[in-house]
Amino acid sequence: DAKTTQPTSMDCAEGRAANLPCNHSTISGNEYVYWYRQIHSQGPQYIIHGLKNNETNEMASLIITEDRKSSTLILPHATLRDTAVYYCIVRVAGGGFKTIFGAGTRLFVKA
Amino acid sequence: ETGVTQTPRHLVMGMTNKKSLKCEQHLGHNAMYWYKQSAKKPLELMFVYSLEERVENNSVPSRFSPECPNSSHLFLHLHTLQPEDSALYLCASSPYTGDDYGYTFGSGTRLTVV
Repeated sequence: DAKTTQPTSMDCAEGRAANLPCNHSTISGNEYVYWYRQIHSQGPQYIIHGLKNNETNEMASLIITEDRKSSTLILPHATLRDTAVYYCIVRVAGGGFKTIFGAGTRLFVKA
Repeated sequence: ETGVTQTPRHLVMGMTNKKSLKCEQHLGHNAMYWYKQSAKKPLELMFVYSLEERVENNSVPSRFSPECPNSSHLFLHLHTLQPEDSALYLCASSPYTGDDYGYTFGSGTRLTVV
């Protein structure tokens, strides 16, 4: 599975959009981009995933570049409860048991 | 509650004790996973079960012994642990291992080995 690179930490003002980048320059054609987040002392929570089209759900939007070498998770109106570690993972379709977590980005949402 | 329940939430055990962690899901999922999260380290995949059969064992020491009696329950039996085994142990489930669904995680068991 492809490796991802994320910034170690980011700050965001409450009520503003949080844009979390992820680089996955070695992604293969059959690898999906997944995002999870982990709030302190809890288990990770699935947010969204996509292959090549942009995706949106009630939690976030996922923007994948045309060459698929990077993506951005967007939390449109960040709240204090969105403070968490956000993990970007690429995973082969059909290779579900190889979900490997990296260090992620620690997002601090400030009032 | 996520639908994946882990008990106990906290566990302190001595190095000579034997204990078990329990994970339960009633989401109708067929795949279940154990992850370990040590302080300031990424999550490490330990075991994967698909339809009650172990399909992945990531070089985990034998002092950790998983058991999956049915698709709703997963156990992690612990014996003769070391202090470095202190960590947050997370259980997750998904409909199948080979599909594109995200995992549902439990809240974890915080284990301290003394």
